Amino acid sequence: GESVGLHLPTLSVQEGDNSIINCAYSNSASDYFIWYKQESGKGPQFIIDIRSNMDKRQGQRVTVLLNKTVKHLSLQIAATQPGDSAVYFCAESTNFGNEKLTFGTGTRLTIIP
Amino acid sequence: DAGITQSPRHKVTETGTPVTLRCHQTENHRYMYWYRQDPGHGLRLIHYSYGVKDTDKGEVSDGYSVSRSKTEDFLLTLESATSSQTSVYFCAIGLAGEYEQYFGPGTRLTVT
Repeated sequence: GESVGLHLPTLSVQEGDNSIINCAYSNSASDYFIWYKQESGKGPQFIIDIRSNMDKRQGQRVTVLLNKTVKHLSLQIAATQPGDSAVYFCAESTNFGNEKLTFGTGTRLTIIP
Repeated sequence: DAGITQSPRHKVTETGTPVTLRCHQTENHRYMYWYRQDPGHGLRLIHYSYGVKDTDKGEVSDGYSVSRSKTEDFLLTLESATSSQTSVYFCAIGLAGEYEQYFGPGTRLTVT
């Protein structure tokens, strides 16, 4: 069946270094992808999104890369800060007009001071 | 949390009792969603609404019902709570034609 998953459940990165969080998806019909950040005790917060007609999109300190050939999505966070410590989720959707997202299981990012 | 409140924020209840969780938004968004979050499963869609009185099932809808009588309120009811429904429940809202969803702060429900 369809699935959105992550390669690594946990990731520890030194403060100031760059982080890369990966996500695999299996539905080739997916045309929209989104990354969320969830801090402890809070709801998920939108970070960045990308449509399937793009390979790369940049935001403030974050970049999302999409490789449709291998159905792979990644989130890059530049110059990580202690406030980046959180669980990061990828989600995907198809353009069938139902505005529904399918979420991955999440990666916990820990920033080491 | 984008004008979304959830109540209660924490609840402990006994097996077999009915429970209703409330999601309230001040953003006038058309779409509203209920998710549950469990370790190892991420966020799973329970039910969603695409307008007043218009609802549909998600992937884990068994044992849950919803109602939306006003744009701003979306209620999730556990008809007879079971221990397997112990979870953190999140409400989200979204605009028609947009995939981005905005999440509330969550409700932690424990069924003993």
